[in-house]
Amino acid sequence: DVKVTQSSRYLVKRTGEKVFLECVQDMDHENMFWYRQDPGLGLRLIYFSYDVKMKEKGDIPEGYSVSREKKERFSLILESASTNQTSMYLCATSRAKRVETQYFGPGTRLLVL
Amino acid sequence: GDSVTQMEGPVTLSEEAFLTINCTYTATGYPSLFWYVQYPGEGLQLLLKATKADDKGSNKGFEATYRKETTSFHLEKGSVQVSDSAVYFCALTPNSGYSTLTFGKGTMLLVSP
Repeated sequence: DVKVTQSSRYLVKRTGEKVFLECVQDMDHENMFWYRQDPGLGLRLIYFSYDVKMKEKGDIPEGYSVSREKKERFSLILESASTNQTSMYLCATSRAKRVETQYFGPGTRLLVL
Repeated sequence: GDSVTQMEGPVTLSEEAFLTINCTYTATGYPSLFWYVQYPGEGLQLLLKATKADDKGSNKGFEATYRKETTSFHLEKGSVQVSDSAVYFCALTPNSGYSTLTFGKGTMLLVSP
């Protein structure tokens, strides 16, 4: 079974803090994705990566950056957290570029005060 | 751009009732279509998918048929159970370029005994 883990289930940060959300997968998948989930808006893609050190912007990249130094780890960085970044953050992976099935982690619920 | 529209919830049903959750899409070409399910406190997991017109995806008693003529992919189940209570997301991915997912806003299903 594919296992996608996220570093925290719940996180509370203050406005202006730098926040790191970590995602680790154990199945040697090439692709990794970060989404945010908000009530009434569904899931929206922030960034994705198809290879180590490679990144592509999704639909809502503003205020975020990512890092993929190793194949199994994909980090989402909030350079200066703001209250409108309070959300549920979901990491996902898929095996290869044109393989569509994505596997999701349990999510990190972030509250920015 | 691509988009997915699904019926708003919550959908409230009694156990053993028939379920339909409507999903329509806008996309160029022939996207692949998916239903994902999110149980309380968990990440998303793939429920079923269809990759070409007239394909029927099925899993755990749920099914959906890819209708190109009506750009629809409605989710159905003949007899729901309390354990089916969850949020259901319709999604698509284009059949060219990156296999990113575009999600609908989600439909919450509540099944009572």
